[in-house]
Amino acid sequence: GQQVMQIPQYQHVQEGEDFTTYCNSSTTLSNIQWYKQRPGGHPVFLIQLVKSGEVKKQKRLTFQFGEAKKNSSLHITATQTTDVGTYFCAGRSGTASKLTFGTGTRLQVTL
Amino acid sequence: KAGVTQTPRYLIKTRGQQVTLSCSPISGHRSVSWYQQTPGQGLQFLFEYFSETQRNKGNFPGRFSGRQFSNSRSEMNVSTLELGDSALYLCASSGTGNNEQFFGPGTRLTVL
Repeated sequence: GQQVMQIPQYQHVQEGEDFTTYCNSSTTLSNIQWYKQRPGGHPVFLIQLVKSGEVKKQKRLTFQFGEAKKNSSLHITATQTTDVGTYFCAGRSGTASKLTFGTGTRLQVTL
Repeated sequence: KAGVTQTPRYLIKTRGQQVTLSCSPISGHRSVSWYQQTPGQGLQFLFEYFSETQRNKGNFPGRFSGRQFSNSRSEMNVSTLELGDSALYLCASSGTGNNEQFFGPGTRLTVL
């Protein structure tokens, strides 16, 4: 079945440093979504990417969908303590509505 | 608009018992998906219901089942509970199932 891996599993940064998490799928994706889960909370939708090579920005967050539509990345510029949480990518293959979540990257930010 | 609600929020059961969890989606949403979240396995897809029909199913044993009612509310049932079923069970709703998912706060199930 489809597998979606993320690296790294965990990253600890100082506030102000940049952060990137990478997402790789075993199959070609029709679209990819990103979610953030704060400690003790539930996943919250951030963005969806659909087109090959697509890049979208949300303030300090930059999302990219690979040309082959099998990988994606999330880059945070100048992290803040409010960025703490686990970031998940989630992808769909073909016309299937089932969303397969990645393994997640836990981000810790300290002052 | 009210968000996704799940009841109960916390549950303690013993091995062998069964449990039913409930999820009320956002008004107007017809798709409800269920996920199991554990520290070791991450977010694992259980099943998705759309207009009272199971549209997708994950790789879980038959002890895990669900249903959706005509008002889109959904329930999931786990029979013959095992220790490994201890987890956070998350429900998510979306309009058609092919766009963003809105998660509820989850039900924390502990099996003793």
